Amino acid sequence: DIQMTQSPSSLSASVGDRVTITCRASQTISGYLNWYQQKPGKAPKLLIYAASSLQSGVPSRFSGSGSGTDFTLTISSLQPEDFATYYCQQSSSTGTFGQGTKVEIK
Amino acid sequence: QVQLQESGPGLVKPSETLSLTCTVSGGSIISYYWSWIRQSPGKGLEWLGYIYYSGSTNYNPSLKSRVIISLDAAKNQFSLKLSSVTAADTAVYYCARAGALITPWDFDFWGQGTLVTVSS
Repeated sequence: DIQMTQSPSSLSASVGDRVTITCRASQTISGYLNWYQQKPGKAPKLLIYAASSLQSGVPSRFSGSGSGTDFTLTISSLQPEDFATYYCQQSSSTGTFGQGTKVEIK
Repeated sequence: QVQLQESGPGLVKPSETLSLTCTVSGGSIISYYWSWIRQSPGKGLEWLGYIYYSGSTNYNPSLKSRVIISLDAAKNQFSLKLSSVTAADTAVYYCARAGALITPWDFDFWGQGTLVTVSS
């Protein structure tokens, strides 16, 4: 089983801040890494697929990078609507998700 | 715009079978992978399995012996059956679509989710 570990598990930030979330896979997954945003009571929303491809309709302030086992989601300038929980997911096999990173208002 | 809607009982007794249906509207069920994913406080987000429009399936090995996913293309629906449930199966269950991007696990459309509680 491929395990996904995100850090930090939570963070506090202000509007306008640059935010970085990391995700590590327990074994290499090439570039098969997705990022999702989830707000309370809602389904996850795909932001980034294949490590760095922006899903249609997602603002360009979201970006992803990495390959192999280490990946990063960056929000270049945090907006009020970005306060949510973010999950990484490996899409190499069985689609395992990370445990989530909650982005809270500072 | 593709929309997915889960339906089924919100309460299931222990040892019984959980059954849910996902209805797809605004698009065809053809040429995509259709998954069930659940979310619980204890286990986070967990992919259960998918069915391809051709009928082929792939299940999470951790649940494989208890999961069956089927598809009714005429009704644009697919379904989940999870047998021998326990309290650990209490979760919000989502249906989701993949196959428009790269892999069968790139979930670009999701249902709103339905809470299923396992309790006597």
